Amino acid sequence: EIVLTQSPGSLSLSPGERATLSCRASRGVSSDYLAWYQQKPGQSPKLLIYGASTRATGIPDRFSGSGSSKDFTLTISRLEPEDFAVYFCQQYGLAPLTFGQGTRLEIK
Amino acid sequence: EEYLVESGGGLVQPGRALRLSCATSGFTFVDFAMHWVRQVPGKGPQWVSSINWNGDSTAYADSVKGRFTISRDNAKSSLYLQMNSLRPEDTAFYYCAKAPNWGNAPYYFDSWGQGIQVTVSS
Repeated sequence: EIVLTQSPGSLSLSPGERATLSCRASRGVSSDYLAWYQQKPGQSPKLLIYGASTRATGIPDRFSGSGSSKDFTLTISRLEPEDFAVYFCQQYGLAPLTFGQGTRLEIK
Repeated sequence: EEYLVESGGGLVQPGRALRLSCATSGFTFVDFAMHWVRQVPGKGPQWVSSINWNGDSTAYADSVKGRFTISRDNAKSSLYLQMNSLRPEDTAFYYCAKAPNWGNAPYYFDSWGQGIQVTVSS
């Protein structure tokens, strides 16, 4: 199975700053079948990005995804207070689909 | 708006069984594959099982194969997970999730339920 490693494990930033989250796959993810989710405490994950770079419905354009094959990035251009949460990447190019362990984005 | 609501979780002894249900509304259930995903607090989610639109194709994670059975009732817009021979390592929050496709190939999830706790302990 494809193992996804997210870095950093946690990130402390201030509102208005730019956040860059990384997701590295143990082997190439076919067709860039990679998604990003946001999860807040006590809530289920929320889809942000699929196909490595396509924003899901209703997701603000401050969220962007990039990358291909083994290296993917989620960028939040200017952090809003509601963006502080845990972020997971997920690959769906190869069965079984797998998730990363998450990056916790904290308010500095 | 799409709604997915899980039920049937709780505390169960090792070796016993539990059946989860997921009632859905707000979308045409028969048009989409459905999945179960579980998560231990502080960890990344783990895919458990999937079923295609009409129920004739299913898939399971190796860790639950032979013990869990996924099924669906399209007339009731509901998804189920029969969990037998439960183990302590099955303890997690279980989510039903909708994939925006009809087959049970790996996909992303555009709607999730609120989740339900399953605890396996003596």
